[in-house]
Amino acid sequence: DAGVTQSPTHLIKTRGQQVTLRCSPKSGHDTVSWYQQALGQGPQFIFQYYEEEERQRGNFPDRFSGHQFPNYSSELNVNALLLGDSALYLCASTTGQGRETQYFGPGTRLLVL
Amino acid sequence: QKEVEQNSGPLSVPEGAIASLNCTYSDRGSQSFFWYRQYSGKSPELIMSIYSNGDKEDGRFTAQLNKASQYVSLLIRDSQPSDSATYLCAVNMVAGKLIFGQGTTLQVKP
Repeated sequence: DAGVTQSPTHLIKTRGQQVTLRCSPKSGHDTVSWYQQALGQGPQFIFQYYEEEERQRGNFPDRFSGHQFPNYSSELNVNALLLGDSALYLCASTTGQGRETQYFGPGTRLLVL
Repeated sequence: QKEVEQNSGPLSVPEGAIASLNCTYSDRGSQSFFWYRQYSGKSPELIMSIYSNGDKEDGRFTAQLNKASQYVSLLIRDSQPSDSATYLCAVNMVAGKLIFGQGTTLQVKP
C-alpha cells in the first residue's frame, strides 16, 4: 500500500523565482492538504483540495496556489519567492473532506537564496 | 492566545520513565485531536488520534482528552531513547484544517 509521496525532496531557488511541488495521496484517499513548516515551528495549514477544488485556505498570500488533478494528486505553486518561504512543505492526504486522520508525505525542503 | 499551545521543552526523562506531554486548545467546538511524532529532518508520523473524552491506549502510548478543560495529553510509558523526538499536538478545528502546536521536544536519556 503506497503511502503519500512528494517530489522533489529538496529544492534550491532564488528570490523572485517560482516553484512547483508535487504530491500523490495515499491509495484510497481523495483529499489533499498542504502545510508549511518553518524550522522549530509546527506545520501551518496552507490549503486543502477536494474534488479538484480548493475547499479551505489558511492565512497565506495569493502567491501560494494549488491544483488537484482527477487522479487526486496535487501541486503547490509558489510565485515570487521570498527568503521567508524557505521551509519544509508537507502534503497530507485523507478521506471524507478531511474529517478523518491525515497522513503526511516525506516533505519537500525548499531553500530560497 | 494561540489556538493550540504546547510547552516547547525540552522535556528530559530517564529511560524507562513515563513521559507526559500536554496540549491546550482554544476552540471549544473542536472534535478530533491527534498526536504526531516528528524526528529531526523527517515528516510528522501519526501516533494517536482521540475523539471522545477519556483515555485511549495503544501499546506504550495513552492519549487523554478533556473537552471541558480543552486539554489533551499524551503519556509514554517505559520511555526509550528511540522515543526522543518532537511531539506535535494537532486539533481539527474545521474539517480538514489541522492546527498544530509548536511541538514539545522529548529527550529520553539512557
